[in-house]
Amino acid sequence: DADVTQTPRNRITKTGKRIMLECSQTKGHDRMYWYRQDPGLGLRLIYYSFDVKDINKGEISDGYSVSRQAQAKFSLSLESAIPNQTALYFCATSDHRRSSGRYNEQFFGPGTRLTVL
Amino acid sequence: RKEVEQDPGPFNVPEGATVAFNCTYSNSASQSFFWYRQDCRKEPKLLMSVYSSGNEDGRFTAQLNRASQYISLLIRDSKLSDSATYLCVVNSFGNSYGYNKLIFGAGTRLAVHP
Repeated sequence: DADVTQTPRNRITKTGKRIMLECSQTKGHDRMYWYRQDPGLGLRLIYYSFDVKDINKGEISDGYSVSRQAQAKFSLSLESAIPNQTALYFCATSDHRRSSGRYNEQFFGPGTRLTVL
Repeated sequence: RKEVEQDPGPFNVPEGATVAFNCTYSNSASQSFFWYRQDCRKEPKLLMSVYSSGNEDGRFTAQLNRASQYISLLIRDSKLSDSATYLCVVNSFGNSYGYNKLIFGAGTRLAVHP
C-alpha cells in the first residue's frame, strides 16, 4: 500500500545541516500531519495542515518548519539539525469528511528514520 | 502526567492465549477512542475504533469505561502474527481551530511465541 510515501526512508546527517523530509499522498485527502516517534514516547505532533493555505503548529514545532506545496505534498524541514532530533518521523493524512466523531482515522506513511550525529 | 498511559509490556504469551491491554486517559472531554497496531519499524495502522457499548472484531474486543477513563483491548486465541505494539489513541477535542487532535499512547508490546 503506497498511498502515502515518504522520502528519504533513512538519513544520517551531521549537526547543523539543513534537512528536508518529503511526503506525498495519492489518497486525495485534504489533511496532512507530521509526527515524530521516540522510544518510550507516543507519536508527537509537529505540524499539521488542513489544506494548502493552512499550516498549524503541533506540540513540538520548535526547530522544524513545513511547506504544503500542493494538496498531495507536505514537506518537513529541519533548518539546523541537532542530535535530539534523531527519531522516526511519520507523515499522515486524513479526510476531513471523515475526521469527526468516530471517523478520525489517520493513514501513515512508512516513516523516515533520521539520525543526527 | 501523560495524557494517554499504557503499560509498555512486553507481554509474552503462547499461541492460543488470551491477553488484555489497558489504557487510561486524562482528558474527560475526550470523545473518540482507537486502537492502532504498529509492527516493528513500520507505520501505525488503525486496528479498531472503541465504542461506548464495547465492540468486537473477530478475535479482538475493545471496551470503554468513561467513568474510569479507561480503555481495554482483549485478544483471544493469540496468533504469532499478533506480535506487534498496540497503541491506544484518544481524540482530544476543543482547541480554537476545532481540530480533533489524536493523542497517542507510547504503546504496549505483545510477543506471541509458539
